[in-house]
Amino acid sequence: AQSVTQLDSHVSVSEGTPVLLRCNYSSSYSPSLFWYVQHPNKGLQLLLKYTSAATLVKGINGFEAEFKKSETSFHLTKPSAHMSDAAEYFCVVSDGTGRRALTFGSGTRLQVQP
Amino acid sequence: NAGVTQTPKFQVLKTGQSMTLQCAQDMNHNSMYWYRQDPGMGLRLIYYSASEGTTDKGEVPNGYNVSRLNKREFSLRLESAAPSQTSVYFCASRLQGDQPQHFGDGTRLSIL
Repeated sequence: AQSVTQLDSHVSVSEGTPVLLRCNYSSSYSPSLFWYVQHPNKGLQLLLKYTSAATLVKGINGFEAEFKKSETSFHLTKPSAHMSDAAEYFCVVSDGTGRRALTFGSGTRLQVQP
Repeated sequence: NAGVTQTPKFQVLKTGQSMTLQCAQDMNHNSMYWYRQDPGMGLRLIYYSASEGTTDKGEVPNGYNVSRLNKREFSLRLESAAPSQTSVYFCASRLQGDQPQHFGDGTRLSIL
């Protein structure tokens, strides 16, 4: 069994300040982990993925995440928030079976204040 | 650059009506998925298809049927819609292995 906990349902930052979105996971397998972003009335776009290579993963739009096995965490960060970053962010874990079923966290809504 | 295309984008049904949601991908992906997204929650898997002609139940399959018509298309059918099926439905596809899933823009379905 696997699960994902996103520790904050809402995060508000000022434009130009750092972003931290927190995620903890549990998995019976060596996990594959993803962060997806969803803008209003849109589908999900892949930001980055971890699949057992480097523990620090760089994604699109300046985002990155660090896999910490000892803490079972996969937090998403960005040094400087932009207004266009305002969206819903989902931390996702993939199971180790052939179907690669995804388990989603409940999401973190990021607000960026001018 | 079509990726995963879902139709329709919006639909309103009455309780008891039937409806088929269409999904097509042009990336030659092997696996396809149907999810639903409800307020305050992440996506939950309804059905999965590893390849043409094969389907498997996900976490919330009750009230739904699916058909993998060919490699490109994977449809989701509600035979007798219920208000509890009001949701946003997403289709996704994946090539193989650890490759990520790619999502469509969703179908917003309301059942009165």
